[in-house]
Amino acid sequence: RKEVEQDPGPFNVPEGATVAFNCTYSNSASQSFFWYRQDCRKEPKLLMSVYSSGNEDGRFTAQLNRASQYISLLIRDSKLSDSATYLCVVKNAGNNRKLIWGLGTSLAVNP
Amino acid sequence: DGGITQSPKYLFRKEGQNVTLSCEQNLNHDAMYWYRQDPGQGLRLIYYSQIVNDFQKGDIAEGYSVSREKKESFPLTVTSAQKNPTAFYLCASSTGDGGELFFGEGSRLTVL
Repeated sequence: RKEVEQDPGPFNVPEGATVAFNCTYSNSASQSFFWYRQDCRKEPKLLMSVYSSGNEDGRFTAQLNRASQYISLLIRDSKLSDSATYLCVVKNAGNNRKLIWGLGTSLAVNP
Repeated sequence: DGGITQSPKYLFRKEGQNVTLSCEQNLNHDAMYWYRQDPGQGLRLIYYSQIVNDFQKGDIAEGYSVSREKKESFPLTVTSAQKNPTAFYLCASSTGDGGELFFGEGSRLTVL
């Protein structure tokens, strides 16, 4: 089983739609969680960190479920500019420098 | 503006040649990293450095070498020993807590 798993998609949604991505992780001791966004042939950029209480940034909401070992990302009112690959990233306890990267979920928002 | 600069953006080399990719940051970050990204695979850590004059191997260090003589600079050499060097190489830096990574724009290496 991979340490971090994501549905690769692609998710094709119309503008204005709400879309949700899930990411599961295998190490129950994982301590930090992030969503990065990567545009085609570009570098990843941090979208948001995921906190235990859940957090929201505009149209984006991230949640963590430690019992089931998954994190989610919800995008409301999708825009064309949201089209990208969304990478789930987990930092394990005991090694401050090692991040485990998922393969990413591809999102295409269509007009 | 603060950021990370990688060069060159595109590089073509013949098989058997060593190649050095440059990475410079002016964010005053202690930690720097090199990742490799291949189609269908997640980012894989090649080397990382938490402080000047110190660096550690990541998950796929074989065939690569690095140096960290200055805080701002973390060059990566892809040696002829690397079996499949064609890839997208990403340099990143972070503050001491290893949280958010700031990436350069990447270097695409193609070995012919």
